[in-house]
Order: sequence, then structure tokens, then C-alpha cells
Amino acid sequence: QKEVEQDPGPLSVPEGAIVSLNCTYSNSAFQYFMWYRQYSRKGPELLMYTYSSGNKEDGRFTAQVDKSSKYISLFIRDSQPSDSATYLCAMRGSSNTGKLIFGQGTTLQVKP
Amino acid sequence: KAGVTQTPRYLIKTRGQQVTLSCSPISGHRSVSWYQQTPGQGLQFLFEYFSETQRNKGNFPGRFSGRQFSNSRSEMNVSTLELGDSALYLCASSLTSGGVSYNEQFFGPGTRLTVL
Repeated sequence: QKEVEQDPGPLSVPEGAIVSLNCTYSNSAFQYFMWYRQYSRKGPELLMYTYSSGNKEDGRFTAQVDKSSKYISLFIRDSQPSDSATYLCAMRGSSNTGKLIFGQGTTLQVKP
Repeated sequence: KAGVTQTPRYLIKTRGQQVTLSCSPISGHRSVSWYQQTPGQGLQFLFEYFSETQRNKGNFPGRFSGRQFSNSRSEMNVSTLELGDSALYLCASSLTSGGVSYNEQFFGPGTRLTVL
């Protein structure tokens, strides 16, 4: 079993919809949680990171962490065709390592 | 400010050969990590360098090695290439080591390696 599980999709939604992307993890040592967006033939782009349980908002994006359930989410409001990409969750443990553990990524398509 | 650059962008090699990939971090960034991305395994951590020292290593065979230079540029080398080494190799840089800096890792576009 992988340390981080993420449904690969694909997920197809109409423009303007609210998108919910999720990851579950098994390692309780994970303390820091990131969301990356990766367009085709590009490297991952950092969207945001969170540390504690709760919500963090940045524009149309909201990251949510529930450490008790080992579950993290990314919500995208008012989705746009330009949001069509693969979304990767990533996590790491102690502050002394930059090693990130990634989910498989969810492919999102936003249709005009 | 320029982003992370990786060269070459595409590479085709045959089994048994070796390859060297290069990564230039964002100006001022001193920590560089390398990842392998494949459709089956996703993104997997290879190693991390800071101040020319390897700080962490992933679960890859010894054929995979790397180094970092005094200007923070990094190279990774794969010897005796196998078909399964075909992948997108990504490097990521962060300002320094430790703490919040590790939460802000910025990736390059990757080098697409094809092994025939």
C-alpha cells in the first residue's frame, strides 16, 4: 500500500464548478502538506502548502487538512478551462528533510 | 527571477549507456532535490543536496548518483541504463535546508529520458 493515495481520475467538470481533490495518507509522521499543479510536458508548480489541521485559502484555492482522519483536500472555486491539469498532493515529515512523498496525481478537465 | 533550468530537455540513450543530467536552481537557492516521474510509480524522491553534501537519499539502486557544485548547480548520473529508467527526471530547488524552506520547493521542466 502506498503511503499517499490519490484517485487518478480523470475528473471532468463544467466551467464554473467547484472542484474537490483529495488525498489520504497512512503515515502519521507527515506534518507538512503541499498541492502542486502540473500541466502537460511541464514541471509541477507549487500552489500552496499547509501545516496544521484546518483550512488555508489562496484566491480560488482552499486547502484543507484533517490530521485525525489523515485526509487532505484541495477545493477550486469557479473552475476555469485553464485549471485543466494534473493536481498532485505531496507531504513530508520532520523539518530536517526536503523529501516529498507524492500522490499519483488527479487529472482534471474543465470543459467550457 | 529565472526559474529552475534543466538540461538537456530530451535525451535518448540505449541500454548499458550512462547519462548525466544537469540542474541549475533558482538564483540564491542552495538546496536541490531530484525526483523521477513515471506513469506507473508517479514522482519518487531520488536525493537531496545542500552545500555540496548529500543530505538524503531515496530508495534507488547505486547506479543513480548525484553531486552538487559550489555554485549550487547539481548533476545526476545514471550508469548502465535499463529500459525501466525511461522517465521524466525533475529537479526542485529551495532557498535553504530545513523548516519552511522545504515547503517551498520549485520544480524545473524536467529532462525526458528515453532508454531504447
